Parts: sequence; structure tokens; C-alpha cells
Amino acid sequence: TQLLEQSPQFLSIQEGENLTVYCNSSSVFSSLQWYRQEPGEGPVLLVTVVTGGEVKKLKRLTFQFGDARKDSSLHITAAQTGDTGLYLCAEGTDKLIFGTGTRLQVFP
Amino acid sequence: NAGVMQNPRHLVRRRGQEARLRCSPMKGHSHVYWYRQLPEEGLKFMVYLQKENIIDESGMPKERFSAEFPKEGPSILRIQQVVRGDSAAYFCASSSTGAYGYTFGSGTRLTVV
Repeated sequence: TQLLEQSPQFLSIQEGENLTVYCNSSSVFSSLQWYRQEPGEGPVLLVTVVTGGEVKKLKRLTFQFGDARKDSSLHITAAQTGDTGLYLCAEGTDKLIFGTGTRLQVFP
Repeated sequence: NAGVMQNPRHLVRRRGQEARLRCSPMKGHSHVYWYRQLPEEGLKFMVYLQKENIIDESGMPKERFSAEFPKEGPSILRIQQVVRGDSAAYFCASSSTGAYGYTFGSGTRLTVV
């Protein structure tokens, strides 16, 4: 069974700081998705990466897929309070395997 | 253009009662998935359905849990004889292609007292 480990588990930062969160797998990803979940809501898809070495940008968010497709990172530039939430990576197509999550708190 | 609609948002049941959770997928989506999020745990896959068919139920507990997606109407996740350990947030997601990302609903929070 594939395991997705995310680090750090918790992150508390000041508005304006940069941060990176990581997602690592015990085996090769077929594809990888990043979601953000706010309290009391369902996860919202941010991005899907498929090709090893792929880099995608979504405003202040930069997503990178490792060359070997066993790891991925999410970098946020100049964090804002609205970035607060649970960040989840997930692997698969019909049946997603979710990572353990990184809980981000951005303070004003 | 409504998203994935789940109801009720909150459901309280006594031990031994039945819980019925409903999910209406996005318009045009024929693939429905159910996930469970236990307190302090991650999201776990339960079941994948298409209209009138269960495609993959490998994440469903063998007893008391069932799911359906009829030709007409919403998908239903049914939990019979609920126990305290069933307390969790249950999320439904839908997609048009069955691949590369879903749209999730806001979930149903089940509390068993």
C-alpha cells in the first residue's frame, strides 16, 4: 500500500513569509494532486501534476513534481491569512490516496 | 452551476440507528466517490460508483455500510446500526472523467451519541 507522508505536520507563520511543504511517497506516483481544505469544508483541488520534473504556478503558489515522481513540493510566496488551511497531497485516479496533511496557520 | 451538494450538513444519530447521507454530483458528472475523514486522521477512500454500478468498494467496511447511485436521484451512503466509531466527516466527490482531480462537496458530519 502506497504511503504519502507530508511534512511538516504543522506550520505557523507570519503574513508575508515564504514556506514550503513536502509530499513524499514510498513508490512512484502515477499523478499527484494538491488540495486545500478549510475548516468545515471539503478539499478544493489546487493543481494536478503528471510529468516528472513538472513545475506549475498558481499565483503565489508553485508546485513541483520530483524527477523520479516520488516526491512533490508546494511553495507559497508572501503568505496571506487566506492561505490558512489543511494542505493535502493525493495520488491516484479513480481511488485517491491522501497524504497525512500539513496544517498551515498564517497570522496577520 | 451548482457544485457537489451533500445533505444533511450535520447528522446526529443514536447508537443502533441508521444514517443516510445523500450526494448530488455536479451536473454532467457521472462518477461519484465517497471518502471518510475521522477526527485527526486523513481522508480515506470508501467507494466509487457510476450510475447504477459500484465500480470499487474496497474501502467500505464489510458490514453495516452500503452505497448506491441510482439511475435517477442522488447517491446514498447508508450506515446501519451506527456505532460511536462511525462519527466522522463523510465527503462525496464527483468527476466527469474518473481521472485527475475531483470536485468535493462540503461533507456531512455524522455524530453518533
